[in-house]
Amino acid sequence: DIQMTQSPSSLSASVGDRVTITCRASQSISNSLNWYQQKPGKAPKLLIYAASTLQSGVPSTFSGSGSGTDFTLTISSLQPEDIATYYCQQSSTIPYTFGQGTKLQIK
Amino acid sequence: EVQLLESGGGLVQPGGSLRLSCAASAFTFSNFAMTWVRQAPGKGLEWVSTISSSGVSTDYADSVKGRFTISRDNSKNTLYLQMNSLRAEDTAVYYCARSALFLRTTYHCYYMDVWGNGTTVTVSS
Repeated sequence: DIQMTQSPSSLSASVGDRVTITCRASQSISNSLNWYQQKPGKAPKLLIYAASTLQSGVPSTFSGSGSGTDFTLTISSLQPEDIATYYCQQSSTIPYTFGQGTKLQIK
Repeated sequence: EVQLLESGGGLVQPGGSLRLSCAASAFTFSNFAMTWVRQAPGKGLEWVSTISSSGVSTDYADSVKGRFTISRDNSKNTLYLQMNSLRAEDTAVYYCARSALFLRTTYHCYYMDVWGNGTTVTVSS
């Protein structure tokens, strides 16, 4: 199975900060990488697919980059409503594994 | 509005069975693969199973293979997950999700763009 490792596991930042979350795959997954946001008690929400394509309706403050094994989710200016846990997920090879999550909090 | 609505969760004893349903609305259900994802209490997301748009092809996580069966009825716009031989470690919120495909010449990428609100399964005596 392909292992997905996110870092950091938790992050505290201030409103307006630029925030970066990284995701590393245990083997190359080309661009088959998605990012999801999950708020407490809610279903996950798709943010980015195919490594860098912004899902319709998602603010342009979110962006994704990377290819192969190393990927990044960036929030260009943190807003209070961005407080959530973020997950990467690979869909290159079954099983479609998720990272362990990054919990983002406001400082 | 595109929507997925899960049902069928509940409390079941170890070794028991449960069937989850996911009713889809406002999109052409038969055009999309569908996926079940679960989340144990306080834990991260775990992919469980995916079924192709026609229902011909299915895939499972090793943790549920041989115990769970994914199926769909395109005439009823409904996805199912039959869960047998349930264990305590199957306790989770189960989400159904629509799986869309991003296709390029050198790679493909399935992504889950619509999610239900989840149904809770508790396996306990």
